[in-house]
Amino acid sequence: GESVGLHLPTLSVQEGDNSIINCAYSNSASDYFIWYKQESGKGPQFIIDIRSNMDKRQGQRVTVLLNKTVKHLSLQIAATQPGDSAVYFCAESGHQAGTALIFGKGTTLSVSS
Amino acid sequence: DSGVTQTPKHLITATGQRVTLRCSPRSGDLSVYWYQQSLDQGLQFLIQYYNGEERAKGNILERFSAQQFPDLHSELNLSSLELGDSALYFCASSVEGRPSNSPLHFGNGTRLTVT
Repeated sequence: GESVGLHLPTLSVQEGDNSIINCAYSNSASDYFIWYKQESGKGPQFIIDIRSNMDKRQGQRVTVLLNKTVKHLSLQIAATQPGDSAVYFCAESGHQAGTALIFGKGTTLSVSS
Repeated sequence: DSGVTQTPKHLITATGQRVTLRCSPRSGDLSVYWYQQSLDQGLQFLIQYYNGEERAKGNILERFSAQQFPDLHSELNLSSLELGDSALYFCASSVEGRPSNSPLHFGNGTRLTVT
């Protein structure tokens, strides 16, 4: 069935380190993937997305990598800052009409200074 | 600020009651999505509307219903409330009808507490 999961529920890093948050998905029909950041008391905030015809996409301090062979998605955050502390969710969707955006359970990133 | 407005921010009610959560999408967005987030859980998709019509349905209970009005705001109605319905309810909006065509932008949620 459709499911999106994450490898680790928590990740602790030092300020300035690079962070890598991983996500595994199971629906091979999914062709759109997206990362969200959720800070305490707020709704999820869009970070970056990628389509299945790409394997890498870069934003400001963030990079998303997609490996369709092993159904794996990762979010890399460069020079992690205390403000990056939040819960990170990956989500997937297919292209078909009526397809929802399905979220995984999230990884809590804690950045210590 | 995502531009998606949800009211109320907090709601406390008793079991068996009915409540209505309201969502105003971003200006220009035609799709509205509802998600439920329980403690320590991810976001569970409930339902999506596009330009007034139901577009996709997820794990929405029969006690729950939603609609999108001509002005594109949406309401989620929760009835016969149970303790387990306590959660954060998020609304999101997007320009187009498929999540893969335009990212979802989320409001800050309504925290529902059922006592």
